[in-house]
Amino acid sequence: AQSVTQLGSHVSVSEGALVLLRCNYSSSVPPYLFWYVQYPNQGLQLLLKYTSAATLVKGINGFEAEFKKSETSFHLTKPSAHMSDAAEYFCAVSERYSTLTFGKGTMLLVSP
Amino acid sequence: DVKVTQSSRYLVKRTGEKVFLECVQDMDHENMFWYRQDPGLGLRLIYFSYDVKMKEKGDIPEGYSVSREKKERFSLILESASTNQTSMYLCASGGAGTNQPQHFGDGTRLSIL
Repeated sequence: AQSVTQLGSHVSVSEGALVLLRCNYSSSVPPYLFWYVQYPNQGLQLLLKYTSAATLVKGINGFEAEFKKSETSFHLTKPSAHMSDAAEYFCAVSERYSTLTFGKGTMLLVSP
Repeated sequence: DVKVTQSSRYLVKRTGEKVFLECVQDMDHENMFWYRQDPGLGLRLIYFSYDVKMKEKGDIPEGYSVSREKKERFSLILESASTNQTSMYLCASGGAGTNQPQHFGDGTRLSIL
């Protein structure tokens, strides 16, 4: 089975600083990868997805992620954090029937 | 926009009760999913369905069952609720194909007393 590891359960940044959330996956076949964001008391919202068209994927709210096959990574970045980015972020890999295996999540804390 | 609607945002039930959580999607998606979310454990798949009347067990199906009588509706059933089933439950739907994203409802926070 595929698996996803998110390094760091909590990441703290200052407003305006670079955001880097790490995701590594294990897969024996080319994967489909997703990043989701969850705001308090809400469901998950799709940020972006990698489906092999391009290694650098742009998503909503200024986020992007780069697929690196050699490192089995799909890290999420944003050049400048905003207070409204504070949320929990989940990386996921797709398996059969479009089932997703999720990482345990990273809580992003943004300080003024 | 895809809309996935869960019938309740908050629910309180007693141990031993039979509990129904309902989910409806409006995008004619083939696949529907039920997850539970617990702090530190992320999302864990309970059951999913890839067609009407079809269901597959996920990672943690024990104590749960599901029903999909119509394409747009997917129900999660706790046969005899227990306190360890207190959790956030999330429903999702998605198109056929492993490159299709899932779209989530807002969740039901279920407390079993």
